[in-house]
Amino acid sequence: KAGVTQTPRYLIKTRGQQVTLSCSPISGHRSVSWYQQTPGQGLQFLFEYFSETQRNKGNFPGRFSGRQFSNSRSEMNVSTLELGDSALYLCASSKGTGRQETQYFGPGTRLLVL
Amino acid sequence: KNEVEQSPQNLTAQEGEFITINCSYSVGISALHWLQQHPGGGIVSLFMLSSGKKKHGRLIATINIQEKHSSLHITASHPRDSAVYICAVQGAQKLVFGQGTRLTINP
Repeated sequence: KAGVTQTPRYLIKTRGQQVTLSCSPISGHRSVSWYQQTPGQGLQFLFEYFSETQRNKGNFPGRFSGRQFSNSRSEMNVSTLELGDSALYLCASSKGTGRQETQYFGPGTRLLVL
Repeated sequence: KNEVEQSPQNLTAQEGEFITINCSYSVGISALHWLQQHPGGGIVSLFMLSSGKKKHGRLIATINIQEKHSSLHITASHPRDSAVYICAVQGAQKLVFGQGTRLTINP
């Protein structure tokens, strides 16, 4: 069974631009969560989607948004990029949204904002 | 104070040594995860615990719900175990992560 895939793997943008990242979950998984990882803050939860609905959202500004499609693939969008948005963005999928679900992580998208 | 605290932050050991990484948390949880992250960024889920103890190969994870504490042990450590180990707790709505423990095993 193929793992979680993320595209693109690397991205360079300039301040003020916007970016869209994509995540394809493991087949049969309906929940997708997004995380940001930076050297200073570590891993932080961005949002979780299940059946095309956002279920939970972390403490990030409204410039960070996402969506999930009917095939469970998910995208996240960051508008008006800032230097501090440079990070590794990881998505993870799980079968459901139970409180004891194993999450399977993708390889991440490394975003550099210049 | 962070909701999830790991110790130590960095750990260097010789091949073959017994390794222990600790995780303490201050919030109510439904599960605790131990994750492994290698250089390059990929994260692998090692364990998910809600009580007791789990073992997989040379890795053992324990959790004490009353004391809000978990440990990850590696027996007969090997250089390929070198990675960042991250503790994450499942709260009411999201995963909350520790800062990670960077483990280096020298041959």
